[in-house]
Amino acid sequence: NAGVMQNPRHLVRRRGQEARLRCSPMKGHSHVYWYRQLPEEGLKFMVYLQKENIIDESGMPKERFSAEFPKEGPSILRIQQVVRGDSAAYFCASSPPGGTGNQPQHFGDGTRLSIL
Amino acid sequence: QQQVKQSPQSLIVQKGGIPIINCAYENTAFDYFPWYQQFPGKGPALLIAIRPDVSEKKEGRFTISFNKSAKQFSLHIMDSQPGDSATYFCAGNSGTYKYIFGTGTRLKVLA
Repeated sequence: NAGVMQNPRHLVRRRGQEARLRCSPMKGHSHVYWYRQLPEEGLKFMVYLQKENIIDESGMPKERFSAEFPKEGPSILRIQQVVRGDSAAYFCASSPPGGTGNQPQHFGDGTRLSIL
Repeated sequence: QQQVKQSPQSLIVQKGGIPIINCAYENTAFDYFPWYQQFPGKGPALLIAIRPDVSEKKEGRFTISFNKSAKQFSLHIMDSQPGDSATYFCAGNSGTYKYIFGTGTRLKVLA
């Protein structure tokens, strides 16, 4: 009866390194969303994926950030050449198939990324 | 046009008090307004939601009041308890997958 699983829970990287954040959606869910939360701010939409497809990446920075949701395995949010400004909590959410309008999105507990 | 403005940023009440958190939106296409509760170190969890065809919705001690003409909605927590201490986010949705979140209200209920 697992919910949305994210790992690692905490990740520390030095400037210039790569960060990989993983998300396994709830059982039966095929839609995955990534959000970023900065201190004292709400969640900001980054990207929406279905299996093997990026549906909307309008909230993702054009450079250094990429996301995938392969046929097998978790969704991955990848940040290359991290900078201090990438420090944030990154949340993954999922929803079931069959349309996304007003579908409640179930959130994981996030990955707290710290850049030294 | 896409913003959801939330206030106050933080709130402290005594146990048994009724904290009220307010949100205002601009996008008239929004037709679904959820509230999320987030405890430290955890992800947001859906608490209660309302659609604009009703002016009020209650679930247990949580009530949403909705004013369509003013484009405002608020969360009331009756008989608040220390266990309600958390950050609360409002959001707006226009029938798509995109939720626009407010900036959050950090609530502390004193014992």
